[in-house]
Amino acid sequence: GAGVSQSPSNKVTEKGKDVELRCDPISGHTALYWYRQRLGQGLEFLIYFQGNSAPDKSGLPSDRFSAERTGESVSTLTIQRTQQEDSAVYLCASSHRAGRTYGYTFGSGTRLTVV
Amino acid sequence: KNEVEQSPQNLTAQEGEFITINCSYSVGISALHWLQQHPGGGIVSLFMLSSGKKKHGRLIATINIQEKHSSLHITASHPRDSAVYICAVIDTGTASKLTFGTGTRLQVTL
Repeated sequence: GAGVSQSPSNKVTEKGKDVELRCDPISGHTALYWYRQRLGQGLEFLIYFQGNSAPDKSGLPSDRFSAERTGESVSTLTIQRTQQEDSAVYLCASSHRAGRTYGYTFGSGTRLTVV
Repeated sequence: KNEVEQSPQNLTAQEGEFITINCSYSVGISALHWLQQHPGGGIVSLFMLSSGKKKHGRLIATINIQEKHSSLHITASHPRDSAVYICAVIDTGTASKLTFGTGTRLQVTL
């Protein structure tokens, strides 16, 4: 596609429920990144994929968080048993390939609110 | 201490003013990004630098690798430039992920 697409754009969920967030990267972009921005705070890294593999998942805050990518395309970020502190904007970005010479394109984010 | 520090945190300017936002970092980097985030939350990548200077329209970004410092300049500022500007680096030890500064909130008034 023309840009990085994320869905849903907004999600309100009850504490304890599971949620799935989706990211469609730019076609042909092999690297895909998930970041999180909690209200009033800076962006923080969660995980990145090169192809379908995740060489660095060091930013996932707990074992309630998981992510997968298939077909070197769509990625889903799953949060199980959501907590109020999971409320944040979850941003996805993609680049042609992981590495310093490649620029990023960001999606518009999914705003998750846990009530 | 954050690996990436920005100053100022908040900046108010009048239309037409020349604006400078600074970024200092404490780690070895392979690249530095300047990002723009509008109130709706969407992020746009403005520049990616590993050396020297880049210019795009009224925006100029410079980096001094030896001093571990980068600046973003906006010439002839306009209210539509109002946004949060974020500096982010790729640590040489991480290969790819970005480490972000806390951002500079810019408000340009008429």
